[in-house]
Parts: sequence; structure tokens; C-alpha cells
Amino acid sequence: DQQVKQNSPSLSVQEGRISILNCDYTNSMFDYFLWYKKYPAEGPTFLISISSIKDKNEDGRFTVFLNKSAKHLSLHIVPSQPGDSAVYFCAHHRSQGNLIFGKGTKLSVKP
Amino acid sequence: DAGVIQSPRHEVTEMGQEVTLRCKPISGHNSLFWYRQTMMRGLELLIYFNNNVPIDDSGMPEDRFSAKMPNASFSTLKIQPSEPRDSAVYFCASSQGGSSQTQYFGPGTRLLVL
Repeated sequence: DQQVKQNSPSLSVQEGRISILNCDYTNSMFDYFLWYKKYPAEGPTFLISISSIKDKNEDGRFTVFLNKSAKHLSLHIVPSQPGDSAVYFCAHHRSQGNLIFGKGTKLSVKP
Repeated sequence: DAGVIQSPRHEVTEMGQEVTLRCKPISGHNSLFWYRQTMMRGLELLIYFNNNVPIDDSGMPEDRFSAKMPNASFSTLKIQPSEPRDSAVYFCASSQGGSSQTQYFGPGTRLLVL
């Protein structure tokens, strides 16, 4: 039973355009959602997070939107750059301290 | 800061052999996590420690897997005996714990069991 679902395994976007990565969840009891970015042969690195009391958080080119009624969040990257090509994981932070990850979406930004 | 350090980076072994993966968390972090990444299951939590004490090991696949954290700066994940289905990338992560939700990952150990 996947608590965090990333239904698109891959996404291809042209450089300069917007990338939208989506994530759905089933458990309404959470503190934070986080997005991690992973390059090949490296560990995931933290990108941006959003708390349960907000519906938007922005950091430079990255914005995360939370729609609690739809149990959906999304990560927007604008403008997309080739260096953004990576696998993006959505994760749900539980109060006990651990993270539940989605399976990831591989983003390819083409020059 | 050196970040989370994992060793070895790559391990190739034969079925039935014992495998030990090592992790040094970031100094000052009091929570440590072991994850496994496979194509089929994605990134799944195996076990995590808080102040060197195992808090949740429900993700450990079976008795062949064990993890220890003898002190704040070192943890091991052991597989004995190893099986081909254990082939995966194993990540260690650490965080400051408490309300902190950001985990810092090591580079991972790529394990291949033949």
C-alpha cells in the first residue's frame, strides 16, 4: 500500500519551460512533505519542503503547491535548466521522524 | 563538514556470504536511517535510530538483516547470509532529529549478490 504515489516515472521538458512534478498521498496525518533530488551515483539531496499549514512554498526557481482536499502536491520548476535533470522524490514526513518516499520521477530537461 | 560517509561504495559478493555496510553520520546528528533502493520498490526505509536506539525496524526484510549503532558516530547494516534478491543500493541518512524533517543522505553502497 503506497502512502506516497508518484504516478509518472518520467518527464521530459524543454530548457526554459516549466517542469511540473506531481505527487499524491493517502494519509492525511503528516507534518511536512519534502522533495528530494537525486543524481546518478549520489544520494538524494533535500530540495524544498512544505508544512501542513501552508498551501505554497517558494524557493527561487522551485515552488511546491499543496492541495489538501485533493491530497495532492506538485513541484514546479521554472525555468527548467539541463542541470535539473535528475530523479525527484516526493516524501512524507511522519511525526515519529521517518520519511515515506514515492518511487520517484525522472526529469529530463533538453537543451 | 564531510557529510554522511558510507563504505564500501560498491560491494560484489556471492550468495551465502556475509555483507557489512558501514555508515558515519554527520557529527551532531542524533537520528540515523538505513534505506534500500530498488527498481521495483523505490526507496524504502529499513530501520532508524534515535540517540543510538533503534526506534522502528519494521522495514527490515527478515532475520537475515540486522543493524547496530554502537555509538553516535557509527552504524552497521549486516546481511547474513546474503541472497541475490538483496542486490540494491543501500543508503544511510542522518538528521538532527526532533522536529527536524530534513535528512542528509550518504552516497550509498551499491550491493550485488551473485
